[in-house]
Amino acid sequence: DAGITQSPRHKVTETGTPVTLRCHQTENHRYMYWYRQDPGHGLRLIHYSYGVKDTDKGEVSDGYSVSRSKTEDFLLTLESATSSQTSVYFCAITDPTYNEQFFGPGTRLTVL
Amino acid sequence: KQEVTQIPAALSVPEGENLVLNCSFTDSAIYNLQWFRQDPGKGLTSLLLIQSSQREQTSGRLNASLDKSSGRSTLYIAASQPGDSATYLCAVIGAAGNKLTFGGGTRVLVKP
Repeated sequence: DAGITQSPRHKVTETGTPVTLRCHQTENHRYMYWYRQDPGHGLRLIHYSYGVKDTDKGEVSDGYSVSRSKTEDFLLTLESATSSQTSVYFCAITDPTYNEQFFGPGTRLTVL
Repeated sequence: KQEVTQIPAALSVPEGENLVLNCSFTDSAIYNLQWFRQDPGKGLTSLLLIQSSQREQTSGRLNASLDKSSGRSTLYIAASQPGDSATYLCAVIGAAGNKLTFGGGTRVLVKP
């Protein structure tokens, strides 16, 4: 299995509070991604990174920011959480050999 | 904009029957196509990756075909087992080689 961990694995928070999710990889790959998965919407890309300090928006980036200060860590921040951000969040990396993506175990976030 | 469709959304078969899962995509300019498995409450596990220059890829009981010109991929699972019960997702990587677009998935139930 690709060395990807996510923390926390579960979180319950209240509307209006800031939340940061962490993705850590041990593969030293350049590309990292954040997705959210919701019933009826499938997996949607939030943000991705193509190197340290290099990030770009995905299709559902509003309300989210990201940072990557080290190759191994990619942080997703909800500045002021809303109930619509209740979801399961997955981090992924790309192995550049064939551009195959590997996913982390996910973080279940509930915003009350 | 690339769109990926998986029909049917759910499928139930008796144990031992071969499974045929379909994936269609609208833009044939893809870098590669990837099939994933997702068990309830878990992350995505990569099953097979087909490069755009390939017609098929095999791993054990799994065989995936790719027809770029018609925008279709099919995942075959031979001699299904109850342990094959899961949701199967296909995803295409665009020509730039760095972002996946996912289908909605097919939920499979294999009855003993």
